[in-house]
Amino acid sequence: GESVGLHLPTLSVQEGDNSIINCAYSNSASDYFIWYKQESGKGPQFIIDIRSNMDKRQGQRVTVLLNKTVKHLSLQIAATQPGDSAVYFCAENQAGTALIFGKGTTLSVSS
Amino acid sequence: DAGVTQSPTHLIKTRGQQVTLRCSPISGHKSVSWYQQVLGQGPQFIFQYYEKEERGRGNFPDRFSARQFPNYSSELNVNALLLGDSALYLCASSFGGVNEKLFFGSGTQLSVL
Repeated sequence: GESVGLHLPTLSVQEGDNSIINCAYSNSASDYFIWYKQESGKGPQFIIDIRSNMDKRQGQRVTVLLNKTVKHLSLQIAATQPGDSAVYFCAENQAGTALIFGKGTTLSVSS
Repeated sequence: DAGVTQSPTHLIKTRGQQVTLRCSPISGHKSVSWYQQVLGQGPQFIFQYYEKEERGRGNFPDRFSARQFPNYSSELNVNALLLGDSALYLCASSFGGVNEKLFFGSGTQLSVL
């Protein structure tokens, strides 16, 4: 089916560490991927996106890696801060279809 | 600039009632999407509208309907509410092209008693 899943429901890190959040997708026809951050009581907030013709994209403190061979997506957060604590979702779509979300990984950052 | 705005923020209804949720997209955005998010889950796609036309529909019963107005705002209607309809309803807007990021509002928290 067209589902997006995450490997771990929770991830706990220390402030200053690098965090890696993983996501596996099942639709090999998906050509666009997004990472969202959702804080309690808020809607998902865009972090970074990547298209299928790329395998890496960097933003401010974040990097997304795409491995199409094994249908794997990851989000790396450098120097994780307490404000990064939230639920992180990966989402995928195939051109012309809806954005499909995975179940989310809760990132907890302790200082 | 204002982001996506949704109203109301919270709503309590009883089984069998009907509810209307409202969404105003970011200025310049022509597409609105609706998602349902049950506690502990990722958002699930309900509808997408572009230029007042339905572009896509998720796996939801006919009790769910939506429309988009000439000013690109949108309403989501749910009839004959069930307890299982209790969720956070999220609206997102985009320019309307293919493979675009969605900008989400803070949602309407619906509780059905």
